[in-house]
Amino acid sequence: QSALTEPASVSGSPGQSITISCTGTSSDVGSYNLVSWYQQHPGQAPKLMIYEDINRPSGVSNRFSGSKSGNTASLTISGLQAEDEADYYCSSYAGGTTLMFVGGTKLTVL
Amino acid sequence: EVQLVESGGGLVQPGRSLRLSCAASGFTFDGYAMHWVRQAPGKGLEWVSGISWNSGTIGYADSVKGRFTISRDNAKNSLYLQMNGLRPEDTALYYCVKGNNYYDFDYWGQGTLVTVSS
Repeated sequence: QSALTEPASVSGSPGQSITISCTGTSSDVGSYNLVSWYQQHPGQAPKLMIYEDINRPSGVSNRFSGSKSGNTASLTISGLQAEDEADYYCSSYAGGTTLMFVGGTKLTVL
Repeated sequence: EVQLVESGGGLVQPGRSLRLSCAASGFTFDGYAMHWVRQAPGKGLEWVSGISWNSGTIGYADSVKGRFTISRDNAKNSLYLQMNGLRPEDTALYYCVKGNNYYDFDYWGQGTLVTVSS
């Protein structure tokens, strides 16, 4: 199984926009529109924020958006708020019956 | 309201077996794929296994293939994970997760902790 990669950490000030990237390969991220993003606050279960690269589930703020270019998917958070401070994970379909997560990015709101 | 309640975790010696269960409610269980996702202490998420609504599609991470078996009982609204040949690196919080489709996860339980240690 290939491994997706994300930066370990990213930070931003309230009101700013930040982007977290998720880089895979042409066998996973680049081949399917099936990247999803999850937010996890300490001690809590993860929450789905984006699915199928760009779709936002009902109830998720429109400050969160997803995009993809080639083998890299991105999560953009605009109008950063203190409550956005959390760990963010991307996952992707990797062919066959296999899914995978990446290591996670810690977002710090300064 | 969707609820996923895991059970069956605990302390187990290396090489032994454990069976996790997940009781689901608040949605049409037999209409959705289900998954197990784990998180080692202080570490990231790892997809473990997934099963389609009718058990026709089943997948495993390479790290557990041949040792773990996922199954479901739609009549009982329940998901299971039989874990054999447990290793210390299997120590983690195991989440039962509802599939939005097979490829992503829209509802998560609170997890059950599995600790593999002698």
